[in-house]
Amino acid sequence: GNSVTQMEGPVTLSEEAFLTINCTYTATGYPSLFWYVQYPGEGLQLLLKATKADDKGSNKGFEATYRKETTSFHLEKGSVQVSDSAVYFCALSLIQGAQKLVFGQGTRLTINP
Amino acid sequence: NAGVTQTPKFQVLKTGQSMTLQCAQDMNHEYMSWYRQDPGMGLRLIHYSVGAGITDQGEVPNGYNVSRSTTEDFPLRLLSAAPSQTSVYFCASSYGGQGWANEKLFFGSGTQLSVL
Repeated sequence: GNSVTQMEGPVTLSEEAFLTINCTYTATGYPSLFWYVQYPGEGLQLLLKATKADDKGSNKGFEATYRKETTSFHLEKGSVQVSDSAVYFCALSLIQGAQKLVFGQGTRLTINP
Repeated sequence: NAGVTQTPKFQVLKTGQSMTLQCAQDMNHEYMSWYRQDPGMGLRLIHYSVGAGITDQGEVPNGYNVSRSTTEDFPLRLLSAAPSQTSVYFCASSYGGQGWANEKLFFGSGTQLSVL
C-alpha cells in the first residue's frame, strides 16, 4: 500500500539552528509529494510541494527535494525561527489533484529563543 | 475572505448520539473532503466529494455519512457516536480539475470532538 513515514518527534531546537525533518514514502506509482504545516489552533497549510523526481520545492526558507532513488522528501531549513514552531506533515498524492492525500504522522517542532 | 469554515469548534457527545459537523467554503471549490486527525497517526481521509451530488469513501468511512447538495457545503454526519470517533476533524477543499492549483488543499480550523 501507499504510506508516508516521518521522523519521530518532538524536535526541539534553538533559534538559528539547522533543521532537517526526515520523510520517506512507499507508493505503487509516481506520487506528488507535499509538506504541510499546522500552527497551534489552526488547520493545515501547504508549505511546499514537488511533483516529479529531482524537483525541489521551496517556500519561506524551507526546502525539500524529491529523491526517487531513496524514496525520500526531507524538509530542511538553514536557520529556524521561533515562529517556525508548529507540526509538520509530509504527504503524498497519487492522482492528479489532492483528492486522496496520504499523510505521515506529523512531527512537532519547537524552537527556543 | 472566509475560506473554509467549520462549526462547531468543540463538541462533546455521549455514546449513541448523532450529530452533524458543518463545513462551508466560499472559494467555489469543486473538491471537498473530511479528514480525522489522531495522535501519532497523521490525518486520515473519511469521505470526499468531487462536485455537488457526488461523494465517495476514503480510508476510514465507517460510522460517517456525507452528502453534497451544493458546491459550498459538505456536512459530515455521525450516525451513532462511539468513543473511537473521539478525534479532531478537518474539512478541506481544493479547486479540482487539472494543474498545480488542483493539488493544494485549503483546510478549515478543525472541530475537536469528544465522545464519552
